[in-house]
Amino acid sequence: NAGVTQTPKFQVLKTGQSMTLQCAQDMNHEYMSWYRQDPGMGLRLIHYSVGAGITDQGEVPNGYNVSRSTTEDFPLRLLSAAPSQTSVYFCASTRDPAGGYTFGSGTRLTVV
Amino acid sequence: AQSVTQLGSHVSVSEGALVLLRCNYSSSVPPYLFWYVQYPNQGLQLLLKYTSAATLVKGINGFEAEFKKSETSFHLTKPSAHMSDAAEYFCAVRDPQTGANNLFFGTGTRLTVIP
Repeated sequence: NAGVTQTPKFQVLKTGQSMTLQCAQDMNHEYMSWYRQDPGMGLRLIHYSVGAGITDQGEVPNGYNVSRSTTEDFPLRLLSAAPSQTSVYFCASTRDPAGGYTFGSGTRLTVV
Repeated sequence: AQSVTQLGSHVSVSEGALVLLRCNYSSSVPPYLFWYVQYPNQGLQLLLKYTSAATLVKGINGFEAEFKKSETSFHLTKPSAHMSDAAEYFCAVRDPQTGANNLFFGTGTRLTVIP
C-alpha cells in the first residue's frame, strides 16, 4: 500500500515556466488537498477536491490550477512560475476529514 | 473564522523530561483538532485527533493532548522525551460546520531533545 505518492521530489524552474506536480493515492480516498509549506507560516491550503470532478479553492489559490478526473489523481499545475511560488508542496488525502489526512512526502520547488 | 496559535516556535527539552507543546484555537463552535508531526524531509504524520469524544486524547509514540474548552487549548504532552521525538509539530483545527477541507494549521513548533 503506497499511500500518497508525489512526484517529482525536487524541481527547479525558471520564472515563467509551467509545470505539473503529480499526486496519486491508492486508498480510494474521496477528499484530496494541496498545501504549501513556507518557513514560519505553517501549511496553507491551495486547492482541494471532495471527489472526482469536484474542486474548489483554498486559502492561497492564485497562480495554481487543479483538476480531478479520477479518484486516484489530483495534479497541481503552475501556469507561469514566479519566485514567490518557491516552497514545499504537500498533497494529502482522506476518506473522512474528521479522521485526519494522510500526507505525501512533498515536492520541494525552487523558482529562479 | 478558524485559527490556531502555537506558542513557541522552538522548544528544547532534556531527554527524559516532560514535553509540553502549546496550541490555542479560535473557533465559534467546538472544533475538530489535530496534532501532526513532521520529521526532516518528510511529510506530516497524524499524532492524534479530537473530534468531540473524550477530552483527553491519546496518540502514537506516547503523546497525548487534552481539549480544554474553557481555555480554548489543545496542548500536546509526553511524560518523558526521547531523542527520536525531535521533529516539528503542527496543531491544526477544522470547523465541523464548514467545508470539508477547511483545515487550518499553526505555524509549527520545532522540538529539540538534548541528550
